[in-house]
Order: sequence, then structure tokens, then C-alpha cells
Amino acid sequence: EADIYQTPRYLVIGTGKKITLECSQTMGHDKMYWYQQDPGMELHLIHYSYGVNSTEKGDLSSESTVSRIRTEHFPLTLESARPSHTSQYLCASSERGQGLGGELFFGEGSRLTVL
Amino acid sequence: DQQVKQNSPSLSVQEGRISILNCDYTNSMFDYFLWYKKYPAEGPTFLISISSIKDKNEDGRFTVFLNKSAKHLSLHIVPSQPGDSAVYFCAASERRVGAQGSNYKLTFGKGTLLTVNP
Repeated sequence: EADIYQTPRYLVIGTGKKITLECSQTMGHDKMYWYQQDPGMELHLIHYSYGVNSTEKGDLSSESTVSRIRTEHFPLTLESARPSHTSQYLCASSERGQGLGGELFFGEGSRLTVL
Repeated sequence: DQQVKQNSPSLSVQEGRISILNCDYTNSMFDYFLWYKKYPAEGPTFLISISSIKDKNEDGRFTVFLNKSAKHLSLHIVPSQPGDSAVYFCAASERRVGAQGSNYKLTFGKGTLLTVNP
């Protein structure tokens, strides 16, 4: 069973607030990812990290930022939330990069609603 | 432009029958294909995968078939069980070489909601 945790699971906030979505994994994986998914749509990669102090933007442009100060922790921050940020955010980790053999381990997701 | 397409948003089957979920792709550089299952309010979990050098991979009740010439793969679940009811995502992997070395980019389809009726 994967050991990757996301908090909060659900968050409803007002426009303009700063929010941080937490993601932690206890598997010692070097690679971590953030995906964004809207209902009925595919998962889109918005950020990834191949190790401490390494972060890259994914294919889908996002106003969020990430940091990787510790191997196990990969938080995502929105400085000023807007209704367009309403979505589900999924954190994942892997041992050998995306997709090859070892696959991605996903957290349970953080569903963000911005009013 | 969607590179991984799951054209059936939903599928309903009877318990004990076969479920067949389909996936088409357009990028010939994809070399690894995966299926993920997602229950409501949970993250996706890996189900089964197949390398592009194979045409079939089987794991218990789950079998994935790959037809490279048609750029098509399918997931067969037999016999289907009510606990299989979930959204199934097809994903394809493409190797990319960058500053960090070789890594793999995963592209997901939109998913198919499978409902298995008792």
C-alpha cells in the first residue's frame, strides 16, 4: 500500500486567500509530482520534482508554486486563490520517473473550491 | 490535442461478464502503457501495464492488449465484480531526455466510468 498523504482533503476558501496543499510520502521516492484534474477530464501535470531543491513546471500552466526542501515533502502554494483554481489536486511519487515499470503512487487528492 | 483518448465516458456490465475498456493513442513515441483505477474521493491506483514490445499482459482477472499498428489498447476484466466499479484511466509513457537525464512523461486519457451491476 502506498504511503503518500495529502492535506487537506477538502478546502473551501474565498477569493484572494493564500493556500498551501501539503503532500508527504514515506517511501523515500526521489520523484514527486502534482497533477490537476477536473471532473470527467484527464489528469494534467502541473509540477514535478526529481529531488531536493529540484522543481519543474509541467505541461499545464499553473499559477501555483511548489518547493522541495525535504525528500518526503512537496507542498503546493497558491498565493491568491481564484475561482478558476477550483479543481482536484493530486500528488504522486515514483521511484524511476513517470510511467516506467514502477508506476506512480498517488495520494487521495485535495479538492479545492474557491468562492 | 488529446494524445490519449478514451472515447467511452461510461460502461455498464453485469456481474460475472467481461468488461472491455478501450483506449486509443496518436503519439508513436509512446513506449509504455498503464491503466489506473480511481474510486470516488480517492487517488488513482496502478492496475496493470504493458510495454510497447509486447501485445498482451495478464494479471489475474485483468488483461491488457496492445495493437501497435492500430495505436489501440484495451483492458479486459473477466469476470467483472461490483468492486470493479470505478473510473479507469489509460495512460501512456514517452521517454524524454533532459538536463536531469532520461525521464518519462505520462499522458492520461479522460477516463471511463465502469459500473458493474450485481
